[in-house]
Amino acid sequence: DSGVTQTPKHLITATGQRVTLRCSPRSGDLSVYWYQQSLDQGLQFLIQYYNGEERAKGNILERFSAQQFPDLHSELNLSSLELGDSALYFCASSVAWGDTQYFGPGTRLTVL
Amino acid sequence: GEDVEQSLFLSVREGDSSVINCTYTDSSSTYLYWYKQEPGAGLQLLTYIFSNMDMKQDQRLTVLLNKKDKHLSLRIADTQTGDSAIYFCAESLLYSGAGSYQLTFGKGTKLSVIP
Repeated sequence: DSGVTQTPKHLITATGQRVTLRCSPRSGDLSVYWYQQSLDQGLQFLIQYYNGEERAKGNILERFSAQQFPDLHSELNLSSLELGDSALYFCASSVAWGDTQYFGPGTRLTVL
Repeated sequence: GEDVEQSLFLSVREGDSSVINCTYTDSSSTYLYWYKQEPGAGLQLLTYIFSNMDMKQDQRLTVLLNKKDKHLSLRIADTQTGDSAIYFCAESLLYSGAGSYQLTFGKGTKLSVIP
């Protein structure tokens, strides 16, 4: 157990819908990262937050957004969902912004 | 651009050693990581090596780094059926313009251990 928690574990929704994925980092970690894992693209970095502020953006679509709250938990919002958004979404956390990242168990999103 | 490459499959017999190889392209990588992903699970950090080291050993795991060739390997001694999983190599790079380090992953090597 890495200490990073993610909810929900599974999510099934329809195209055009909006969903929110939640992540709680390890105790003491200030950085949260979001990744998408799909069969064709592999593991892709989406976005990073550090102590409530956006730190870096990767291959994140404009339909996706994230935030980190004062208690350091983070949410990833996915809107206008398409079939191709079906994937595993992982959250990771680290103490600061260059440290070892520890991953949560992931949320499996299925868009029908 | 940054690319991390791994072979997709490796099959070994229980009790043998497994060697999973990885090549990366960016010589400015600071840390290189190995993560393990079991079916239906998240990524578990196995080990990492700092870029100024050549070797790191941790129980059954040995990491070798050849900076000249940009080659990283993970050796698992006495491989067990419980080692069957996908192993990801990742490099930590300074993310341009952000002052932050990010991980770039390979596509993963699926290790199958034959009893």
